[in-house]
Amino acid sequence: DQQVKQNSPSLSVQEGRISILNCDYTNSMFDYFLWYKKYPAEGPTFLISISSIKDKNEDGRFTVFLNKSAKHLSLHIVPSQPGDSAVYFCAASPDSNYQLIWGAGTKLIIKP
Amino acid sequence: EAGVAQSPRYKIIEKRQSVAFWCNPISGHATLYWYQQILGQGPKLLIQFQNNGVVDDSQLPKDRFSAERLKGVDSTLKIQPAKLEDSAVYLCASSLGNEETQYFGPGTRLLVL
Repeated sequence: DQQVKQNSPSLSVQEGRISILNCDYTNSMFDYFLWYKKYPAEGPTFLISISSIKDKNEDGRFTVFLNKSAKHLSLHIVPSQPGDSAVYFCAASPDSNYQLIWGAGTKLIIKP
Repeated sequence: EAGVAQSPRYKIIEKRQSVAFWCNPISGHATLYWYQQILGQGPKLLIQFQNNGVVDDSQLPKDRFSAERLKGVDSTLKIQPAKLEDSAVYLCASSLGNEETQYFGPGTRLLVL
């Protein structure tokens, strides 16, 4: 039973354009959401997060949007750069113990 | 600041053999996590320590997996005996506390033949 779903295994975007990565969840008890970025042979690195009391959080080129009614969040990267090529994981926390439930990841490829 | 260290980086063993992984968290981080990441899936939490006590090990296959965190610093994860389906990347992460950002090590890639 996948509580956090990333339905696109991969995404290819032209350098300079916007990258939009999507994530859906099923558990309405989730109240904290995170995006992690992972390069090959490295561990995931925290990118950006959002709490359920907000619908948008922005950090430089990265913005996360949360639609609670649709149980959907998205990560926008503008403009996309070659260094953004990586696997992006969406994760959600169901309680204050911060135990993360992870999606399967989306591989983002930025084309020069 | 040094990151989370893990060793070995790669390990190949035959089924029914034993294997152990080591993790050294970021200095001062009270919480330590072990995750299993099977190819094509997201990380799955195996066990979470707060200092040297276990917070959650509900998804740890206790018939073959064990973990300890002596003195609340380094941790080891052991598999005995290994099965083919244990082939995965084992990630260690640490955080200041339960609700802080988790910092990951590079992982140990295990292949069971």
